[in-house]
Amino acid sequence: GAGVSQSPRYKVAKRGQDVALRCDPISGHVSLFWYQQALGQGPEFLTYFQNEAQLDKSGLPSDRFFAERPEGSVSTLKIQRTQQEDSAVYLCASSLASVGYEQYFGPGTRLTVT
Amino acid sequence: QQPVQSPQAVILREGEDAVINCSSSKALYSVHWYRQKHGEAPVFLMILLKGGEQKGHEKISASFNEKKQQSSLYLTASQLSYSGTYFCGTSNQGGKLIFGQGTELSVKP
Repeated sequence: GAGVSQSPRYKVAKRGQDVALRCDPISGHVSLFWYQQALGQGPEFLTYFQNEAQLDKSGLPSDRFFAERPEGSVSTLKIQRTQQEDSAVYLCASSLASVGYEQYFGPGTRLTVT
Repeated sequence: QQPVQSPQAVILREGEDAVINCSSSKALYSVHWYRQKHGEAPVFLMILLKGGEQKGHEKISASFNEKKQQSSLYLTASQLSYSGTYFCGTSNQGGKLIFGQGTELSVKP
């Protein structure tokens, strides 16, 4: 596709539910990044992949957060047993390579946990 | 550690110029600049790499002082469409970006 796409765009989950957020990167982009953005703040790094390898997951806030990119293209961010503090916009970005290249962001998924 | 942006907010009249600064306490490999409008994705503006290479939009200019770990974004002859929140993202190794808290720019007619 022309840009990074994410689905769903909006997700409302009850506390304790599991959610799965999908990211479809720009075709040919090797690297894929997940960020979390709270209202009025800059994006905060969660994790990134180079092809199917997860090279850095230091930003994942707890073991309830899990990301995968099994075929080196589409990625899924899963949050288990959602909590209210998980409410945020989850942004996905892709780039040609992990170092020295610009990252292009998708529109994000706004997660609201009630 | 999160880079520090200044100013936090700025209001301009159309046609005026502005400078947004980004400062880090760590040695940097690259600095990335983005603009984000409310409810939308961050849009890439510029990347500046250690060693002097830079890529970005023609109408945007920026500088990167590697010794001081500082970068500045220069917005000249501002247009209404320049309004939004500007973020710098820094990288010192690997691909992850650490973003500043943002600078809110408002351009008025």
